Amino acid sequence: EPEVTQTPSHQVTQMGQEVILRCVPISNHLYFYWYRQILGQKVEFLVSFYNNEISEKSEIFDDQFSVERPDGSNFTLKIRSTKLEDSAMYFCASSVGGTLNTIYFGEGSWLTVV
Amino acid sequence: EDQVTQSPEALRLQEGESSSLNCSYTVSGLRGLFWYRQDPGKGPEFLFTLYSAGEEKEKERLKATLTKKESFLHITAPKPEDSATYLCAVRISSNTGKLIFGQGTTLQVKP
Repeated sequence: EPEVTQTPSHQVTQMGQEVILRCVPISNHLYFYWYRQILGQKVEFLVSFYNNEISEKSEIFDDQFSVERPDGSNFTLKIRSTKLEDSAMYFCASSVGGTLNTIYFGEGSWLTVV
Repeated sequence: EDQVTQSPEALRLQEGESSSLNCSYTVSGLRGLFWYRQDPGKGPEFLFTLYSAGEEKEKERLKATLTKKESFLHITAPKPEDSATYLCAVRISSNTGKLIFGQGTTLQVKP
């Protein structure tokens, strides 16, 4: 069964360092998303991406964050200068279409900022 | 403000003891309600999508129902392997398919 794959599964980084989280969405999907879940809290939407541009972003997704689809298969989330409060599980997700299609999630990348 | 609330926060059942999880929502325009299962340290695993009031979907011991204000996830004769956190999420009227999640119900089924 096709799945969304994410790397790394866990990363520890120093505050202020740049981090790139990588994702390979399901191959025929066209919509891509990043969500995050701080330990013990709700899953929160960060950004959605379609046709090589951001289609919606949340208030959390400030100038420190960026997304990119560098080739035909990868989708990345970059955090430019990490803060302690960026420590969370980051989930990549994808869907075939937009509004009426199921969103499938990856296993997550656990980011710890120290 | 769009909001999704799940209850109870935690539920402990004996194996075989049926129960229901609740997800209530207040949103500007519902374009789908989703149920996911999440195991510790893992990503949400898709279970069901419901689009309109009165709709029901079933999968093994799970059955999801939808009204205009809430959804229920009924668990019939649960087994220990059903232990997980069950997440409810709604898709509101937008062009992007963004989901708004509830805080989840953590289910523990004891043998």
